Amino acid sequence: EAGVTQSPTHLIKTRGQQATLRCSPISGHTSVYWYQQALGLGLQFLLWYDEGEERNRGNFPPRFSGRQFPNYSSELNVNALELEDSALYLCASSLWSGEETQYFGPGTRLLVL
Amino acid sequence: AQTVTQSQPEMSVQEAETVTLSCTYDTSENNYYLFWYKQPPSRQMILVIRQEAYKQQNATENRFSVNFQKAAKSFSLKISDSQLGDTAMYFCAVEYGNKLVFGAGTILRVKS
Repeated sequence: EAGVTQSPTHLIKTRGQQATLRCSPISGHTSVYWYQQALGLGLQFLLWYDEGEERNRGNFPPRFSGRQFPNYSSELNVNALELEDSALYLCASSLWSGEETQYFGPGTRLLVL
Repeated sequence: AQTVTQSQPEMSVQEAETVTLSCTYDTSENNYYLFWYKQPPSRQMILVIRQEAYKQQNATENRFSVNFQKAAKSFSLKISDSQLGDTAMYFCAVEYGNKLVFGAGTILRVKS
């Protein structure tokens, strides 16, 4: 069974640009979660999508947004990039919204110059 | 705010020995789930073990076991017969309303 996949593995952008990160959940999983792992800040919850709807978001500004597609894949968009957005972005999926175990992808490392 | 505390930033253990990683948390919920994840240098987060708070029995997965003390809000991870491949960052996490709140992590180095 294939795990959670993310693309790209690395992304380099400059300040003010937009970044788009993609995630494909484990087959059969309907919930997708995004986390940011920034140096010195640890792992922080960003967004949760289930059945195409945003269910919850963490303490991040509105320029962090995303969506979930009918095939349950998801994309995270970060607008007006700032230097401090440089981080590893991890996507996770769970079987359904009430299933608490989350399985993680390998992450996308975003570098903002 | 929910918090998860891992008080040991770094630990070392000799191969084949046993090591225990500590984790405490704060919650007002009665039913919740706790996890230990491992993040090796590849950065892939790997689920090690999970515990349902309503279960008194401590979870075990091969060489990994937990000591869950609900009243004390403590959730430690014991790794037996440590192997070089266990070298990684270990994160304790608590599930709150479908989001995971993570501790700061403990770097574990297994020495030969």
